[in-house]
Amino acid sequence: DTAVSQTPKYLVTQMGNDKSIKCEQNLGHDTMYWYKQDSKKFLKIMFSYNNKELIINETVPNRFSPKSPDKAHLNLHINSLELGDSAVYFCASSPSMGAGYTFGSGTRLTVV
Amino acid sequence: QKEVEQNSGPLSVPEGAIASLNCTYSDRGSQSFFWYRQYSGKSPELIMSIYSNGDKEDGRFTAQLNKASQYVSLLIRDSQPSDSATYLCAVTPGTYKYIFGTGTRLKVLA
Repeated sequence: DTAVSQTPKYLVTQMGNDKSIKCEQNLGHDTMYWYKQDSKKFLKIMFSYNNKELIINETVPNRFSPKSPDKAHLNLHINSLELGDSAVYFCASSPSMGAGYTFGSGTRLTVV
Repeated sequence: QKEVEQNSGPLSVPEGAIASLNCTYSDRGSQSFFWYRQYSGKSPELIMSIYSNGDKEDGRFTAQLNKASQYVSLLIRDSQPSDSATYLCAVTPGTYKYIFGTGTRLKVLA
């Protein structure tokens, strides 16, 4: 039973489209995250929710909008996709502040 | 200066040797330190966490932390070809926001 699951695993779409990525965790963790990993493998935080409340919102274009309907789910919606949005997006969760993360398997987004 | 720095590698070691991976960080207020392993095309996997100065051992892995010098290292004893991966250092000042290094690619030669 997968601890942190993301869908879809691959997403190929045209510029200007809108897409969503879904994430669910069954670990009972209070905190969930979205990270972007670029082509140089650098992981950069985008958003974090603690028990459905937004606690981290990095300088991300407002075309990106996270939503957490409950503490087990964190979705990411992206409007008007651009070529530069192509990357791997990872969802992660942690039980508390200062604890290690469990990552999902990632969503490889390719914008053409 | 980058917040968390790692040598990108590749670091090549023969099978059975000790691999030593290093990470320096700039925020003196950092409190929690982590090492993640990421195989190509896969997600990062937590392998070690360390919170206080000194060494912490778990199987073939030892994490070392020196807050005065602002570095954290990971030693892998008896390296195996299956250890070949990118190792990511992550640091947090005690908040939910973790800063990752760019990773060191390790190649263990059979």
